[in-house]
Amino acid sequence: QSVLTQPPSVSGAPGQRVTISCTGSSSNIGAGYDVHWYQQLPGTAPKLLVYGNNNRPSGIPDRFSGSKSGTSASLAITGLQAEDEAYYYCQSYDSNLSGVFGGGTKLTVL
Amino acid sequence: QVQLQESGPGLVKPSQTLSLTCTVSGGSISSGRYYWGWIRQPAGQGLEWIGRIYTNGNTNYNPSLKSRVTLSVDTSKNRFSLKLRSVTASDTAVYYCASLDCGGDCPIDYWGPGTLVTVSS
Repeated sequence: QSVLTQPPSVSGAPGQRVTISCTGSSSNIGAGYDVHWYQQLPGTAPKLLVYGNNNRPSGIPDRFSGSKSGTSASLAITGLQAEDEAYYYCQSYDSNLSGVFGGGTKLTVL
Repeated sequence: QVQLQESGPGLVKPSQTLSLTCTVSGGSISSGRYYWGWIRQPAGQGLEWIGRIYTNGNTNYNPSLKSRVTLSVDTSKNRFSLKLRSVTASDTAVYYCASLDCGGDCPIDYWGPGTLVTVSS
């Protein structure tokens, strides 16, 4: 059971927009800790996609965007492409300063 | 750009201690704003936070693993290490080492490729 809750799967057709939610609590996201998002392609290590709720590292397309409100956060992906098919994880911190992850969401591009 | 590489035994017997080392290249482990962490992922499952360490020895651990985990750092060799005691089959996972840029809210900005550790007799 993950501390942060994500939908197990989402899907969309090429070119469409999808969102992935990440729900926490008052001891993590709601306590003011930022949310970060990672993309994991099969057989590879996760890669940082969005940090600090809504910032993209260099090289990440602006098709990926994040937001946070209250005890939840969301990752939006616009202009879906086949190479976006992957697992996506949200991550934040708890009040004991331990990192916490969502259970992961599998994105299928139809 | 920082690169990380995990190393250690791929097979550990139940009740023994799992020991892994992460070697950092392309940057100094003593870089002021960075923490260094470990995350694991059982096959077909999600990511689990193990803990993080700063070069002054300050640590934060996952409460569910805290009683069995010790992180340490060796600045002279630019590497940090994980020890997980009294392992069972449920500790079988891919273990990742990572750098955390704590200039902000500590996202994991670089990951090692991961190393599979199997707990079995």
